[in-house]
Amino acid sequence: QVQLQESGPGLVKPSETLSLTCTVSGDPISSYYWSWIRQPPGKELEWIGYIYFTGSTDYNPSLKSRVTISLDTSKNQFSLKLNSVTAADTAVYYCARLVHWFDPWGQGTLVTVSS
Amino acid sequence: QSALTQPASVSGSPGQSITLSCTGTSSDVGNYNLVSWYQHHPGTAPKLLIYEGSKRPSGVSTRFSGSKSGNTASLTISGLQAEDEADYHCCSYAGSGTPPLYVFGTGTKVTVL
Repeated sequence: QVQLQESGPGLVKPSETLSLTCTVSGDPISSYYWSWIRQPPGKELEWIGYIYFTGSTDYNPSLKSRVTISLDTSKNQFSLKLNSVTAADTAVYYCARLVHWFDPWGQGTLVTVSS
Repeated sequence: QSALTQPASVSGSPGQSITLSCTGTSSDVGNYNLVSWYQHHPGTAPKLLIYEGSKRPSGVSTRFSGSKSGNTASLTISGLQAEDEADYHCCSYAGSGTPPLYVFGTGTKVTVL
């Protein structure tokens, strides 16, 4: 059974870089697409982007200039970096496996942007 | 690309059936048979209920069913149970010509009376 778990700092200062890692167990990361999704407080879910095991990526145009998704096959992990964060980037961040639908998901991690 | 439109809240009594709507456009919901639905109890991982509009993953109750008509997808929960009280999100593939690639709905909170 595939399981995903997000990890990373829960507090990031404005203008700095948000960095999160998703650890995948039960399935080699060298297959499927892997994605990041976020949900700001009181708002809808927002797709951030995906990475394929080949390294190819696609990002939400609204975040494209600030986001990088990468993977580490040796650790069966993929990561998210979002730079120049503001309070608007405060959200619960989820990682998920992507097959044109998202399944399964991690439990999510709250990242707050505040000084 | 705007979020798909879902009613903010829907309620029903135990045993009843309720239907949640998810309205998009001819660029997303109406153009692809790739609508998915997720059940989300706060603090837990969202759970896939329906994919490709009407297919249920193994292990998902048959009380959940999906359909689509034009630019609107629907999720029906039959035999409503207390455990169904949660947030429900739809999502549609929008294709590479209409970024972003995936667009989510505004979310519906289901309350079991």
